[in-house]
Amino acid sequence: QQQVKQSPQSLIVQKGGISIINCAYENTAFDYFPWYQQFPGKGPALLIAIRPDVSEKKEGRFTISFNKSAKQFSLHIMDSQPGDSATYFCAAPGGATNKLIFGTGTLLAVQP
Amino acid sequence: NAGVTQTPKFRILKIGQSMTLQCTQDMNHNYMYWYRQDPGMGLKLIYYSVGAGITDKGEVPNGYNVSRSTTEDFPLRLELAAPSQTSVYFCASSLSGRSYNSPLHFGNGTRLTVT
Repeated sequence: QQQVKQSPQSLIVQKGGISIINCAYENTAFDYFPWYQQFPGKGPALLIAIRPDVSEKKEGRFTISFNKSAKQFSLHIMDSQPGDSATYFCAAPGGATNKLIFGTGTLLAVQP
Repeated sequence: NAGVTQTPKFRILKIGQSMTLQCTQDMNHNYMYWYRQDPGMGLKLIYYSVGAGITDKGEVPNGYNVSRSTTEDFPLRLELAAPSQTSVYFCASSLSGRSYNSPLHFGNGTRLTVT
């Protein structure tokens, strides 16, 4: 079973700080890497995604960094805000079904 | 647009009972999915469909059945509920099956407890 390994499981950051969530993947055939954000009581929603032909993608305060040689990608949230408090999932398409495989999630709490 | 709508939002079942989780989408998406979410386990794919009349198993299909008679609807059936099926179930849809430009759109989930 191809996996996407996500860490940390939970993260507490002070308002204005940087939140960093990491994911490692196994299959070099993965061709894009999305991050999903989930608020309590809601379904996940796409936050940002990157293709492996670029090393970084930035959208506002959210940045994905991609390290192809290490088979790792990470989400950076700059100037973290209490409204960013949510669960974040990394994902990659693959496995036997060729559909999205999700990481185990990171619960982020941004303290005011 | 409503997007992806799931009903019910909450349900408690006794062991051995059956039920159907409803999912409908109004985005004319071809692909639909059922995931279950358990604490610390992420989202696991149960079943998916690439269009009306076509369904296939995901990572964890045992104990579940699906059908896709229309583009809009993708119900998930639990025939003999077991405590291991206690979870939050999410339905999702996408325009295509695997594309950078075709993200998954999720419903708000059904929280199911089997006792």
